[in-house]
Amino acid sequence: QKEVEQNSGPLSVPEGAIASLNCTYSDRVSQSFFWYRQYSGKSPELIMSIYSNGDKEDGRFTAQLNKASQYVSLLIRDSQPSDSATYLCAGSGGGADGLTFGKGTHLIIQP
Amino acid sequence: DGGITQSPKYLFRKEGQNVTLSCEQNLNHDAMYWYRQDPGQGLRLIYYSQIVNDFQKGDIAEGYSVSREKKESFPLTVTSAQKNPTAFYLCASSAGSRGDTQYFGPGTRLTVL
Repeated sequence: QKEVEQNSGPLSVPEGAIASLNCTYSDRVSQSFFWYRQYSGKSPELIMSIYSNGDKEDGRFTAQLNKASQYVSLLIRDSQPSDSATYLCAGSGGGADGLTFGKGTHLIIQP
Repeated sequence: DGGITQSPKYLFRKEGQNVTLSCEQNLNHDAMYWYRQDPGQGLRLIYYSQIVNDFQKGDIAEGYSVSREKKESFPLTVTSAQKNPTAFYLCASSAGSRGDTQYFGPGTRLTVL
């Protein structure tokens, strides 16, 4: 199993709906998790971090972590066209090499 | 303003040339990282440094070199030994090195002519 896996998409969601992005991970990267948003041609920007089981909410964004099933998800409520981007999931096993990134999911919000 | 700067934004290299990409941070972060991003490949770790005067190879270090003489600076040299250097290069930093949040610079797009 690859260490952090994401469906590359594209995932198409109507404006105003909930976008659900998912990520699975291996044992090596199981301590902390991050969601980054990357617009085309730009660098990644941090959206959320999550360290413990359960939900974490920040505005329209909710990160969910389930360590028993080894998945982490990001929900975007009231999706806007400006949310159209690639979303990168990253995990850390606490090693000195930092984070391991998935390949990203391309999200398209349809007006 | 605190942040990470990378220069240049765009860089063109002729085959056989070495080029150096600059990365500077004023966040007082201990750890710094270099990634390469190719279409559909995600981010791949080239080199990382936890402290000044120390750095380690990442997953794809061949053809690259780095230095960490100052806490604020972590330049990356793309040598002529790197066979396919055309990519988007991203520098990141974090307060610590063991799973801390990484913050990214704006990136340098390198093209080999």
